[in-house]
Amino acid sequence: GQSLEQPSEVTAVEGAIVQINCTYQTSGFYGLSWYQQHDGGAPTFLSYNALDGLEETGRFSSFLSRSDSYGYLLLQELQMKDSASYFCAVRDQASAGNMLTFGGGTRLMVKP
Amino acid sequence: EAGVTQFPSHSVIEKGQTVTLRCDPISGHDNLYWYRRVMGKEIKFLLHFVKESKQDESGMPNNRFLAERTGGTYSTLKVQPAELEDSGVYFCASSQDLEGRANTEAFFGQGTRLTVV
Repeated sequence: GQSLEQPSEVTAVEGAIVQINCTYQTSGFYGLSWYQQHDGGAPTFLSYNALDGLEETGRFSSFLSRSDSYGYLLLQELQMKDSASYFCAVRDQASAGNMLTFGGGTRLMVKP
Repeated sequence: EAGVTQFPSHSVIEKGQTVTLRCDPISGHDNLYWYRRVMGKEIKFLLHFVKESKQDESGMPNNRFLAERTGGTYSTLKVQPAELEDSGVYFCASSQDLEGRANTEAFFGQGTRLTVV
């Protein structure tokens, strides 16, 4: 089966840096994605890592280590608007449909 | 360009009733997925359409759930009869199919919050 573990909640202050970790156990692995969801909104795509290393997109970076079955999302210069839930998701190579298996989500609260 | 739209945004029904959720994917996206988030838990896969065909329905919880995508455009997810444990947020997502390769990005709708009382 597939399982992903991530912290349920993280709190940080404006301007700080926060790292949200994700470990996974999957029967097949194609890549690790991160999604952001504000309350009542649609999950929106943030990043995707298929290979080991760091991918940077503005204030957000995502890291993957395939050998450790581990990745993280790094958010820098935190802003109040970054308060949201963040989901890691694995794309299972074994699935012809390329559907996503999600972690339980990490609720990030940014305080002034 | 319009995103993925879902209707209704909220639905409150009594146990035993029927509810039909609708999803309009982004135009041109062959892949359409249904997901569900129950009680703040993880978002779980329900099924996947490629055009009008069901590619994978391994996540459908039981035969009270029926999904269709006639004509390969919009999709409906019917729950009949609804039970209390069906309450949750139902998300639809769509993605392009790039010459048979996986597209890394799926676009989600805002979801339908279903409450069964």
